[in-house]
Amino acid sequence: EVQLVESGGGLVNPGGSLRLSCEVSGFTFSNYSINWVRQAPGKGLEWVSSISSSGTYMYYADSVKGRFTISRDNAKNSLYLQMNSLRAEDTAMYYCARDPPIVAGFDYWGQGTLVTVSS
Amino acid sequence: SYELTQPPSLSVSPGQTASITCSGDKLGDKYVCWYQQKPGQSPVLVIYQDSKRPSGIPERFSGSNSGNTATLTISGTQAMDEADYYCQAWDSSTAVFGGGTRLTVL
Repeated sequence: EVQLVESGGGLVNPGGSLRLSCEVSGFTFSNYSINWVRQAPGKGLEWVSSISSSGTYMYYADSVKGRFTISRDNAKNSLYLQMNSLRAEDTAMYYCARDPPIVAGFDYWGQGTLVTVSS
Repeated sequence: SYELTQPPSLSVSPGQTASITCSGDKLGDKYVCWYQQKPGQSPVLVIYQDSKRPSGIPERFSGSNSGNTATLTISGTQAMDEADYYCQAWDSSTAVFGGGTRLTVL
């Protein structure tokens, strides 16, 4: 069974940092690109970042470029999102999602981890 | 930056057909996916590559994409289909989501 489990969310002050993790199981992690997608409370989905299967290529939404860093450890079946200089508008549920090339989208999603940026 | 536009809401009666549109510049040249999201749950892929259904998605869900508009069609809409629906496409290695359409079945 394919599973993606996010962790690391919580309450952080504006300007602070947080590191999210996504641990996967049930498939060969190193064969897939993985993405972070977020959803602010009561709002729609917003793509945040993606990383290629080998970790060579990384892409970011303009809203997080220069502040967030995506990475992965294929030996640990884990994806990460280092978030720095956090702002109130970064408050959201953060999902990791698998991205197989044949789908051109996201076929499996985690349950999400909530990040709240507030003083 | 690329944008996808969806109607904010749509209401249908049970058993009717619901058609949710997603518009974007030359969207027909891209693959479109559709996701269903119910309150408190993670999104679920219901259509990929414009018109393909993942395993486990009912046949009443179908999709099309041409010109500047992609459409998700739910035939014989059921109460369980009440949810938010999002379209998504890729543009220059970035994923773009539509704003979402809240489907009400009443």
